[in-house]
Amino acid sequence: DTGVSQDPRHKITKRGQNVTFRCDPISEHNRLYWYRQTLGQGPEFLTYFQNEAQLEKSRLLSDRFSAERPKGSFSTLEIQRTEQGDSAMYLCASSNLNTEAFFGQGTRLTVV
Amino acid sequence: DAKTTQPPSMDCAEGRAANLPCNHSTISGNEYVYWYRQIHSQGPQYIIHGLKNNETNEMASLIITEDRKSSTLILPHATLRDTAVYYCIVIPGSYNTDKLIFGTGTRLQVFP
Repeated sequence: DTGVSQDPRHKITKRGQNVTFRCDPISEHNRLYWYRQTLGQGPEFLTYFQNEAQLEKSRLLSDRFSAERPKGSFSTLEIQRTEQGDSAMYLCASSNLNTEAFFGQGTRLTVV
Repeated sequence: DAKTTQPPSMDCAEGRAANLPCNHSTISGNEYVYWYRQIHSQGPQYIIHGLKNNETNEMASLIITEDRKSSTLILPHATLRDTAVYYCIVIPGSYNTDKLIFGTGTRLQVFP
């Protein structure tokens, strides 16, 4: 088990483009979380899944953001029509009912 | 909003104990105190958690006051690698059955 894996680690995109990030959780974990972190702030919760069901979405998750976890394993977070304000670190975490949350290294998005 | 209050920054000499305080005066009876840390450019890492008894593991000790309104994370012999932002979080349940709500944490600087 190599922990939570996120891809890519860094992404630079032009304003208005769409981007997609991937998270591979620890294999036996049924919960998967997405967070966003801007400079100097703690991570902010975006959404979480239990298996393939998306159980909660933050109001931070505007209609330009969509997350999926189609088979209850890996997850994707897509941002459509990116804006400069979307520049941040996007963190993924996974857990199950008997463990703490394990975080990935994050995807750093820069919108230019 | 985060339910905890932490000092924004602290310094500690290498080899000395680092004592990081956290105030959680509105904690409920079923809420646990969790500590995570985030080393620069990495995802948060779980350290320790507790309900009302003091806890110790290989990384740290957690001291919770009798009224549970505050706690202290102790790194007994701080090293330069302990330089990080430390987050104190309260959530219901013994393990991550709920999302983590991060505040801005305490930035610990360990100096030689």
